[in-house]
Amino acid sequence: GAGVSQSPSNKVTEKGKDVELRCDPISGHTALYWYRQRLGQGLEFLIYFQGNSAPDKSGLPSDRFSAERTGESVSTLTIQRTQQEDSAVYLCASSLDGTYGYTFGSGTRLTVV
Amino acid sequence: AQSVAQPEDQVNVAEGNPLTVKCTYSVSGNPYLFWYVQYPNRGLQFLLKYITGDNLVKGSYGFEAEFNKSQTSFHLKKPSALVSDSALYFCAVRDIDDYKLSFGAGTTVTVRA
Repeated sequence: GAGVSQSPSNKVTEKGKDVELRCDPISGHTALYWYRQRLGQGLEFLIYFQGNSAPDKSGLPSDRFSAERTGESVSTLTIQRTQQEDSAVYLCASSLDGTYGYTFGSGTRLTVV
Repeated sequence: AQSVAQPEDQVNVAEGNPLTVKCTYSVSGNPYLFWYVQYPNRGLQFLLKYITGDNLVKGSYGFEAEFNKSQTSFHLKKPSALVSDSALYFCAVRDIDDYKLSFGAGTTVTVRA
């Protein structure tokens, strides 16, 4: 597609439920990133995928967070047993090869009540 | 390790006046530097980047930034600000030998008419 697409754009969930966030990167982009942006704060790195290499999961805040990507296509970020502190905007970005420009999606605003 | 500092949480200027948003960085090697802008309820939009070459980089919407290696700075500038420039601005850096993009905490710019 023309840009990075994320769905849903908004998600309200009850504490303790699992949620799945989706990212469709730009076609042909081998690198994909997930970031978290809490209200009034900067972007926090979560995970990085590059082609078929093992992902860099060093930014995942707990074992409740996991992410998958099949090849160079769609990625899903899963948060299990959501907590209120998980409330944030989750941003996905893709890049042609992880070196130059990064294109961001509009994000998923997650609210845990 | 790499990091970015945006020392000002907020910048307020009158329309027509020059706008400067400060950014300093720290990387172990050579940097790739980026500026992004975020409008309310929108994703991040790319403004400009420094990879190599001229220290003065020109980008979208009349913005420019100057790479200063000795001061490890990459300040964003616009000669004449518009009310529509009011937004949240993020500086980002990655080491040339890394792939992870690190963001500053962001600077809120308000341009008053």
